Amino acid sequence: EAQVTQNPRYLITVTGKKLTVTCSQNMNHEYMSWYRQDPGLGLRQIYYSMNVEVTDKGDVPEGYKVSRKEKRNFPLILESPSPNQTSLYFCASSLSLAGGYGNEQFFGPGTRLTVL
Amino acid sequence: AQSVTQPDIHITVSEGASLELRCNYSYGATPYLFWYVQSPGQGLQLLLKYFSGDTLVQGIKGFEAEFKRSQSSFNLRKPSVHWSDAAEYFCAVGFTRMYSGGGADGLTFGKGTHLIIQP
Repeated sequence: EAQVTQNPRYLITVTGKKLTVTCSQNMNHEYMSWYRQDPGLGLRQIYYSMNVEVTDKGDVPEGYKVSRKEKRNFPLILESPSPNQTSLYFCASSLSLAGGYGNEQFFGPGTRLTVL
Repeated sequence: AQSVTQPDIHITVSEGASLELRCNYSYGATPYLFWYVQSPGQGLQLLLKYFSGDTLVQGIKGFEAEFKRSQSSFNLRKPSVHWSDAAEYFCAVGFTRMYSGGGADGLTFGKGTHLIIQP
């Protein structure tokens, strides 16, 4: 089954304790992305990756890191989490064709993070 | 830069009644437009998308949307809602980012409309 998986689905942690949220897709997609969803703000992009070893900042990258060493995986790293990073996080992937084809993005189930 | 506005934060509709959710976009080129739905505790599912051609687009679950370039709108409609349609709905505009290796497509989302279904 074609899917995007995220782990963990729920996480409660404390300020300053490094954590990683994993994201994996089995569709051989080139493009992967992380979003956070907050009430009243919709989805905002954190980081994205056009292909292996190619990443760039989205709209709200502060406090986050990413890496793309393999095509299928795109982990989100919070080196020193803070309470304002409490949010619902989504990973997404899509085929990436130059020229603005607007490919559908497939979303993971979400990770609900609470930072105390 | 591109942007999406969903003017209604909450909408309440009676079961069986018709539905229209509004979406306005701002984008300098031909837009690629999407509607996603997020059911409680779930991820986002694509309802429909517009790339080109017929301005009335049919999607899953009985939804349709009409692209109106003159109004910069892409409103979502359903003739008769069901209780299972209660969810958060997001409109999004696709855009192309250029980088040294070529181009890649991104999405900018609206803030969402929360749909409540009354029995």
